[in-house]
Amino acid sequence: DVQLVESGGGLVQPGGSLRLSCAASGFTFSRYEMNWVRQAPGKGLEWISYISSSGATIDYADSVRGRFTISRDSAKNSLYLQMNSLRAEDTAVYYCARANVYYSGSYEAHDYWGQGTLVTVSS
Amino acid sequence: DIQLTQSPSSLSASVGDRVTITCRASQSIGYFLNWYQQKPGEAPKLLIYAASSLQSGVPSRFSGSGSGTDFTLTISSLQPEDFATYYCQQSYSSPRFTFGPGTKVDIK
Repeated sequence: DVQLVESGGGLVQPGGSLRLSCAASGFTFSRYEMNWVRQAPGKGLEWISYISSSGATIDYADSVRGRFTISRDSAKNSLYLQMNSLRAEDTAVYYCARANVYYSGSYEAHDYWGQGTLVTVSS
Repeated sequence: DIQLTQSPSSLSASVGDRVTITCRASQSIGYFLNWYQQKPGEAPKLLIYAASSLQSGVPSRFSGSGSGTDFTLTISSLQPEDFATYYCQQSYSSPRFTFGPGTKVDIK
C-alpha cells in the first residue's frame, strides 16, 4: 500500500527554522512528482511547493518563496521541506502529497496524502 | 494566478439528499479541475480528476461535470460518511495547483 508519513513538526519561535520530512513507501518514489500542501487552523488548503520526479524542477508559492526549500532523496524514499525565517502565519498542518498523472500525462492530481505534521510558530 | 471560487461556502443537507457544489475559475481551465473530500482531522482524499473522472475506489454516487470556467460536484444520494468539506483544485497552471476555499456539508 502507498504510504506517506510526515515528521518534523513542532513549536518554533518566529524567525526560527524547521525541517519537515516525508517518508514514502509502497510505490517507486523516484518516478513521482511530489508536493507540500498546508492548512492553517480552521482554514482551507494551500499548495506551497512542488518538486519533479528527478528533482530538476522546483516551484514555490509566493507566500514561501525565498524562505522554504523543497528537496528529495530517492535513495531514502524521502521528501523534505526546509523552512527558514518562520512567521506566525506559517502555523499550519503540513501535508506531503503525491502527484499522479492521468490520460497519458495530460492531467494531474494529488492522489495520496500523508496524515500531516503540525507546525506552530509562536513565541 | 488562477482563482477558484466555490458556492455555497456551506450547506446543510439530509441523508438521501442530492447535493450539488459549484466551482468557478477566474479563467478558462479546460477540464483541469479536481475535487477532494476532507473530514475533520484527516488528510484530503481525491474524489474526481480531470473534471469528471472518478478516482479508483470512490463510490459512484459522486460525479463531476463541467469545463472551461464552471464545474460541479454532485453527490446523488448523501450518505452519513459524506459529511465533510469539499475542495476543488485547478491543475491547469501546473505545478501550481491552487485550491478553492472549500464547501462544508453538514447535517440538517
